[in-house]
Amino acid sequence: SQTIHQWPATLVQPVGSPLSLECTVEGTSNPNLYWYRQAAGRGLQLLFYSVGIGQISSEVPQNLSASRPQDRQFILSSKKLLLSDSGFYLCAWRPKGAQGQPQHFGDGTRLSIL
Amino acid sequence: DAKTTQPTSMDCAEGRAANLPCNHSTISGNEYVYWYRQIHSQGPQYIIHGLKNNETNEMASLIITEDRKSSTLILPHATLRDTAVYYCIVRPSNTGNQFYFGTGTSLTVIP
Repeated sequence: SQTIHQWPATLVQPVGSPLSLECTVEGTSNPNLYWYRQAAGRGLQLLFYSVGIGQISSEVPQNLSASRPQDRQFILSSKKLLLSDSGFYLCAWRPKGAQGQPQHFGDGTRLSIL
Repeated sequence: DAKTTQPTSMDCAEGRAANLPCNHSTISGNEYVYWYRQIHSQGPQYIIHGLKNNETNEMASLIITEDRKSSTLILPHATLRDTAVYYCIVRPSNTGNQFYFGTGTSLTVIP
């Protein structure tokens, strides 16, 4: 079966520090991959998605970037964190091909900026 | 994506069936109905989805009305671990990437 892993689960970082969040998927190949952010008490906002290695699309302008160095690895980064980057970051995957397939989410990383 | 309407909150007695309604009166013919739930501090968990026919899996059943304007998620024997926020999402199968999570229904299973 397929599984998705995110780490770390929680992270506290000072303003201006760099960021690297990692997401890996197991049990599937060539998935679509997604990064979302969920602000407290609000819905999910899609940040980036990727349909293949090195292919990244950004949904909203922001202080973050994403990379996909391997088929099942998706990384969310920042060179200098802002207070507004605090939130709950979720990685998701979805298989290609069959219509109507759902996205499957990881357990998320809770990021606090001080 | 079609808009969905769900009750803000519901209670259910442990061991009883939990029936969570969702209204999606503007749904289009190519839009699927998806259900997710989110337990505090965890990522959304996929439950079930369907297009026209009723669906059942190991977690739940999805009943879609014949006109597809509403649906009901049924948890047959609710347990305390089913306490969560449940989201009904309607979207086309072949366009866009964002799954839009609204405010959902906060289900509390009572012992």
